[in-house]
Amino acid sequence: GAVVSQHPSWVICKSGTSVKIECRSLDFQATTMFWYRQFPKQSLMLMATSNEGSKATYEQGVEKDKFLINHASLTLSTLTVTSAHPEDSSFYICSARDGRGRTEAFFGQGTRLTVV
Amino acid sequence: AQKVTQAQTEISVVEKEDVTLDCVYETRDTTYYLFWYKQPPSGELVFLIRRNSFDEQNEISGRYSWNFQKSTSSFNFTITASQVVDSAVYFCALSTRTGTASKLTFGTGTRLQVTL
Repeated sequence: GAVVSQHPSWVICKSGTSVKIECRSLDFQATTMFWYRQFPKQSLMLMATSNEGSKATYEQGVEKDKFLINHASLTLSTLTVTSAHPEDSSFYICSARDGRGRTEAFFGQGTRLTVV
Repeated sequence: AQKVTQAQTEISVVEKEDVTLDCVYETRDTTYYLFWYKQPPSGELVFLIRRNSFDEQNEISGRYSWNFQKSTSSFNFTITASQVVDSAVYFCALSTRTGTASKLTFGTGTRLQVTL
């Protein structure tokens, strides 16, 4: 299957700082990437859909100014959590589809963010 | 709107037992895709299977099998002769658009614990 790499795997940051999470498709070009958030023992909730070269589409209730998404190339999308607060602590996971008609999405390893 | 229901929150079985994880979905679309993902304790999501709405054939892959029943809107997953390594959270998901922009709606997951 296709490989999606997410970095970092975990990060601890101070309240008020910003954190950038990278999502890379290693062996395919991803025209679309998705960012999900998962609270402990809960399901994955889609935050936004990231399209290469255009603005991301955010789900209802997700603050686009707080969760900045950039999809500057066909292999890289980044999520920046700006002015992080403890309530932003969560597991963030990205997925990518290769645009060649396959409908399964491949997921990164996830990033566990802890804001202290 | 789409919805995926996994009524079983947690299941505990003894190794070598068979176990079935239930998934019921709701959608008004006639074309859709159903998925199962495995999330081990490490956090990454592992793709297990994709099934499109026009293919009701059941599928078997090793110890895994899937039963797709459109009449009851169910896509159940059975693990035969379970093993400790099967312990994980399993998510059923639904995608209702083809093409690169489709996104997944996840169920709440079923935590499977396999003990010796």
